[in-house]
Amino acid sequence: RKEVEQDPGPFNVPEGATVAFNCTYSNSASQSFFWYRQDCRKEPKLLMSVYSSGNEDGRFTAQLNRASQYISLLIRDSKLSDSATYLCVVTYNNNDMRFGAGTRLTVKP
Amino acid sequence: GAGVSQTPSNKVTEKGKYVELRCDPISGHTALYWYRQSLGQGPEFLIYFQGTGAADDSGLPNDRFFAVRPEGSVSTLKIQRTERGDSAVYLCASSSIAGAGELFFGEGSRLTVL
Repeated sequence: RKEVEQDPGPFNVPEGATVAFNCTYSNSASQSFFWYRQDCRKEPKLLMSVYSSGNEDGRFTAQLNRASQYISLLIRDSKLSDSATYLCVVTYNNNDMRFGAGTRLTVKP
Repeated sequence: GAGVSQTPSNKVTEKGKYVELRCDPISGHTALYWYRQSLGQGPEFLIYFQGTGAADDSGLPNDRFFAVRPEGSVSTLKIQRTERGDSAVYLCASSSIAGAGELFFGEGSRLTVL
């Protein structure tokens, strides 16, 4: 089993739609969780951390379910500028950080 | 500079050659990570340094790959006897807090092995 697994998509949604991405991780000892965003041919950048109680940043909501080893990202009122690949990131052994394969999102007018 | 710097940005080499890729992290960041990314894939973990020591090198694919960070700042990823399958973008990231802080990435070194 891969350390971090994501639905690769692609997700093609109209502007204004709500879209959700899921991620599962294999190491029950993982302590920190993040969502990164990567634009085409660019480096990944932090979108948001994921906290145990769930957290929200504007149109973005992240959830963590430790029992199921599952993380989610919800984007409300999608914008054209949200088009990117969304990467789930989880700490692994000794605080190294492992990435999922990414979920590609395209928001269309 | 203010960000993570990687050189070279592009490297084309022939199969069997030796390659070095350099990463200059953000000043003061103790954690440094190397990843490689192929088209359509997420970053694949290679090695992680905490200070001068490799805290986890379990992602290095084989003994042709080696990385150093002798003074706890600049790191060099070394690939011996390159193979066509080594072609990828090699990404370096640094963080002020290992495992909890934001990863700041360089723009990557694109390696092409002919």
